[in-house]
Amino acid sequence: AQSVTQLGSHVSVSEGALVLLRCNYSSSVPPYLFWYVQYPNQGLQLLLKYTSAATLVKGINGFEAEFKKSETSFHLTKPSAHMSDAAEYFCAVTLTSYGKLTFGQGTILTVHP
Amino acid sequence: EAGVTQFPSHSVIEKGQTVTLRCDPISGHDNLYWYRRVMGKEIKFLLHFVKESKQDESGMPNNRFLAERTGGTYSTLKVQPAELEDSGVYFCASSQETANTGELFFGEGSRLTVL
Repeated sequence: AQSVTQLGSHVSVSEGALVLLRCNYSSSVPPYLFWYVQYPNQGLQLLLKYTSAATLVKGINGFEAEFKKSETSFHLTKPSAHMSDAAEYFCAVTLTSYGKLTFGQGTILTVHP
Repeated sequence: EAGVTQFPSHSVIEKGQTVTLRCDPISGHDNLYWYRRVMGKEIKFLLHFVKESKQDESGMPNNRFLAERTGGTYSTLKVQPAELEDSGVYFCASSQETANTGELFFGEGSRLTVL
């Protein structure tokens, strides 16, 4: 069985600063990995996904994540935070070919002016 | 194109009552999923439909929960009788193909409060 750990339930950054949201997974084999974002009063939206192609994955809104097998990590980064990035971010994994995802606990990102 | 829609957005019921949540997936999406997030915890998988068939219901908590997808279009999730621990946000998601790994389109969720 797989599991996901997101370090830090709340992360606060200043506008223009680097965003780093941490995700570590536990799986017997390399899984498929995802980052989803939930903006206030909206459903979850896919930011990016890793499916065993390139280890550096680029997503929407300037976000990217790097799959590091040796560290079992899939951290999400963005070079410069924008106020509109304030949201809750979820890391998720699956070993299935369909959408049975195991989610992390979520990280609420706050961006200060 | 309309997204995944869920109804109601918020429901408050007493313990022992029945609640039915509805999900309308994106048109043409054969795969439909239900997830739940209990307050303070992670989002958890409940079940997966392909058209009208349940493919994986391993996440359903107990037999008080009944999901249906008659005709392979919209789905309902009934909780009967509701218990306090059923409170949370119930998310529905859909995807176009089973092989489209994990690329789910989520609704805004139905918040259930059991008093």
